[in-house]
Amino acid sequence: AQSVTQLDSHVSVSEGTPVLLRCNYSSSYSPSLFWYVQHPNKGLQLLLKYTSAATLVKGINGFEAEFKKSETSFHLTKPSAHMSDAAEYFCVVPMGRALTFGSGTRLQVQP
Amino acid sequence: EADIYQTPRYLVIGTGKKITLECSQTMGHDKMYWYQQDPGMELHLIHYSYGVNSTEKGDLSSESTVSRIRTEHFPLTLESARPSHTSQYLCASRETGGEDGYTFGSGTRLTVV
Repeated sequence: AQSVTQLDSHVSVSEGTPVLLRCNYSSSYSPSLFWYVQHPNKGLQLLLKYTSAATLVKGINGFEAEFKKSETSFHLTKPSAHMSDAAEYFCVVPMGRALTFGSGTRLQVQP
Repeated sequence: EADIYQTPRYLVIGTGKKITLECSQTMGHDKMYWYQQDPGMELHLIHYSYGVNSTEKGDLSSESTVSRIRTEHFPLTLESARPSHTSQYLCASRETGGEDGYTFGSGTRLTVV
């Protein structure tokens, strides 16, 4: 079975500094992996997706993630945080009938 | 602009009341889903449907029920609300084939007092 583990429940950064949100997956093969973002009072939005075409995936709002099979990781990064990036981020793997979500990482951005 | 709508956005209701959470989508998607999002922010699949008259239980056991009489409509019902049902309920839909083609509603935040 596939699953994802988000290693940090909360991450706090200063505006303008890099963002790193960590996700590890467990699978017997290279899965598809997604990152979703949820802003307060908003629906979930797809940030980016990995589907084995390229290991470095660029998403919206300057985010990107790198699929590393040797480390079974799919960490989300952004070079410079903006206040508007404050939200909940979910690492997600499709499980046939639906999506399976990680436990989420709440990103705080300090001015 | 979201094409999937959930109402109400917030609901506070007394124990024992019957409630229905509405979810409608205008994209003609066959597949629809209900997720429960606990205060700790984990999401768990509680129901899904692959088309009209098709409904299945998800990974997390739930006392709620769903129906799919029309493609665009996937309501969730609790016959007798309890404080343990307090949570956020997210509805989603997607077209057949696309693993990433999910669209999520804004959710209904339910509080049972």
